[in-house]
Amino acid sequence: NAGVTQTPKFQVLKTGQSMTLQCAQDMNHEYMSWYRQDPGMGLRLIHYSVGAGITDQGEVPNGYNVSRSTTEDFPLRLLSAAPSQTSVYFCASLLQETQYFGPGTRLLVL
Amino acid sequence: AQSVAQPEDQVNVAEGNPLTVKCTYSVSGNPYLFWYVQYPNRGLQFLLKYITGDNLVKGSYGFEAEFNKSQTSFHLKKPSALVSDSALYFCAVGGSSNTGKLIFGQGTTLQVKP
Repeated sequence: NAGVTQTPKFQVLKTGQSMTLQCAQDMNHEYMSWYRQDPGMGLRLIHYSVGAGITDQGEVPNGYNVSRSTTEDFPLRLLSAAPSQTSVYFCASLLQETQYFGPGTRLLVL
Repeated sequence: AQSVAQPEDQVNVAEGNPLTVKCTYSVSGNPYLFWYVQYPNRGLQFLLKYITGDNLVKGSYGFEAEFNKSQTSFHLKKPSALVSDSALYFCAVGGSSNTGKLIFGQGTTLQVKP
């Protein structure tokens, strides 16, 4: 098991550019989530999914889109990057009440 | 609305001494409570959780946490701190439906000095 994997590890974008952060898990977990981590604010939920084809908004969804076409993959799309989206992004999957986190993607928007 | 508070930005403790990292929560219904640890430039690692049952929960690396319903607290403890315990610790709460929606505290940096 590779667990939860995320790509890329680091990305620099210019304001207005779009990109997709990839997340995959090989544990056949139904529930997956995206969080962003900002200094002094902990982690905040962006979007989550309770299974293939089902997604919902979290606490800070604006500027982000998600889809869940398969159980394994849960990509996060930035439609038009803004400096306020500079952050570290974590994907997680859930098994038996416990979330397992990927290593994170560090995003810098200039 | 659910919320979690970690009242201390940083906790300093000498190696070998007991440590406590505080967490209080607000949630309707029965809470699912978690502690995670983050080492520099790494993802979050699960330490322990309280779902139901015994109020004292034991987790990884010798950590434990005590659920106190009347004080709505879930403090993380360890009897004897190690320098390698130095990291960022997060408390989190989920509702009983537990769809993967966690609310995190802002984190507490633990510094263990030799």
